[in-house]
Amino acid sequence: DIQMTQSPSFLSASVGDRVTLSCKASQNINKYLAWYQQKLGEAPKLLIYNANSLQTGIPSRFSGSGSGTDFTLTISSLQPEDVATYFCLQHNSWPGTFGGGTKLELK
Amino acid sequence: QVTLKESGPGMLQPSKTLSLTCSFSGFSLSTSGMVVSWIRQPSGKSLEWLAAIDWDGDKYYNPSLKSRLTVSKDTSNTQVFLKITSVDTADTATYYCARHYYYDGTYYFDYWGQGVMVTVSS
Repeated sequence: DIQMTQSPSFLSASVGDRVTLSCKASQNINKYLAWYQQKLGEAPKLLIYNANSLQTGIPSRFSGSGSGTDFTLTISSLQPEDVATYFCLQHNSWPGTFGGGTKLELK
Repeated sequence: QVTLKESGPGMLQPSKTLSLTCSFSGFSLSTSGMVVSWIRQPSGKSLEWLAAIDWDGDKYYNPSLKSRLTVSKDTSNTQVFLKITSVDTADTATYYCARHYYYDGTYYFDYWGQGVMVTVSS
């Protein structure tokens, strides 16, 4: 099974900051990495798929990069509404496996 | 637009059978390539895929829970069901259904329901 490790587990940043979240796979997953945003009490929302493809309707301040085993989600200018937990999902092999999440808070 | 909504008992006792329903619209499960999955999330923890059913009626299960899970769909292809037998406190979680979308040779979850919280307690 492919294991997904996210870091850091918690991140505190200020409005306007550039924020970078990491996700590492235990083996090569090519470009098949998705990112989800989950606000408190809400369902996960798809932000990025195929490592860098922005889902329709997602603000352009969100971007993804990486391939193979190392991936990054970047928020170019943190907004108050971005406070959430972010999960990665490898979708290289069925059914996919999730990372443990990064909880993003405002400083 | 695509929407999914879960429903369930809220609370049940240990050793009982948990029955969940996912009602969806905006797509048909009879369309080739379509899949609906069940995923759960204990409070404060990460997400765990449980089971899936595809447009052809094929069923897929998490190996660690397979003996306790049954996924099915209705004949109108607008609802998917999940049963979990012999529940215990470890099954306390929020349960989500999600569309497992096929693109570029792989599947990922693109739309999720709002989730239903299930508590197992005596």
